[in-house]
Amino acid sequence: DAGVTQSPTHLIKTRGQHVTLRCSPISGHKSVSWYQQVLGQGPQFIFQYYEKEERGRGNFPDRFSARQFPNYSSELNVNALLLGDSALYLCASSLEVAEPQHFGDGTRLSIL
Amino acid sequence: QKEVEQNSGPLSVPEGAIASLNCTYSDRGSQSFFWYRQYSGKSPELIMFIYSNGDKEDGRFTAQLNKASQYVSLLIRDSQPSDSATYLCAVNPTGGSYIPTFGRGTSLIVHP
Repeated sequence: DAGVTQSPTHLIKTRGQHVTLRCSPISGHKSVSWYQQVLGQGPQFIFQYYEKEERGRGNFPDRFSARQFPNYSSELNVNALLLGDSALYLCASSLEVAEPQHFGDGTRLSIL
Repeated sequence: QKEVEQNSGPLSVPEGAIASLNCTYSDRGSQSFFWYRQYSGKSPELIMFIYSNGDKEDGRFTAQLNKASQYVSLLIRDSQPSDSATYLCAVNPTGGSYIPTFGRGTSLIVHP
C-alpha cells in the first residue's frame, strides 16, 4: 500500500509569492495534519483536518490556510511568502484523529 | 503551554550497546505517547507508541511510560550504526485534542 504522498518534493519561491502544497493520505485514513519543521527543531503543528472539517490550528499567521477534499487529500496554501517560511513541510495522516500519525516525505520549501 | 522536553544530544553509544533516550512532558493528563525516528534530510518515521504505564516491546525497541513522573523513554538494544538518527518524542495532550506536541529530538550516534 502506498504511504502518505506529498507534492512537490522541492520548491523554490521568492518573497511575496504564493505556494500550494499537496498531500494524499494513506488509503482509508480520514485525518490529515500539516507540520512545519526547521533544522534542529521538532515538527510544529499547523493544521489538522478530519472528515473535511478543521479540527485544530497551530500558532501560524492567517497567511497559512488549508483544506481537505472529499477523497481526504489535502492542500496547504501559504500566501505572501517570507524568508522565514523556508522549511520542510510535512503532511501526516491517521485512521482517526486519536491514532498514530504517519508522515509523508515532505516538501522542502526554499524562499529566496 | 504544553511542553515536551528532550536532551538534544548527541548521545553517542558503541555498537551493540543499549541506547536510552528520554522525554519529559508538562501536561499531566496526556494519554498517548509516540516515538519517531528521523534520518538526516528525511521525514519522521513512527517506530513506537504507548498508552499505558509500563513497558512495551517491539523487536529491539522498548518504550517505557511513567505517567506519575511524566516521562517516557525509548530503549534500543543491540544498537547498530543504522540506528544513528534523531529520535523525536511526541505527546497527545488532554482535552480531546489529538494534536501531538513534538520535542526537538535527540540525536543518536552509534559508532562501530
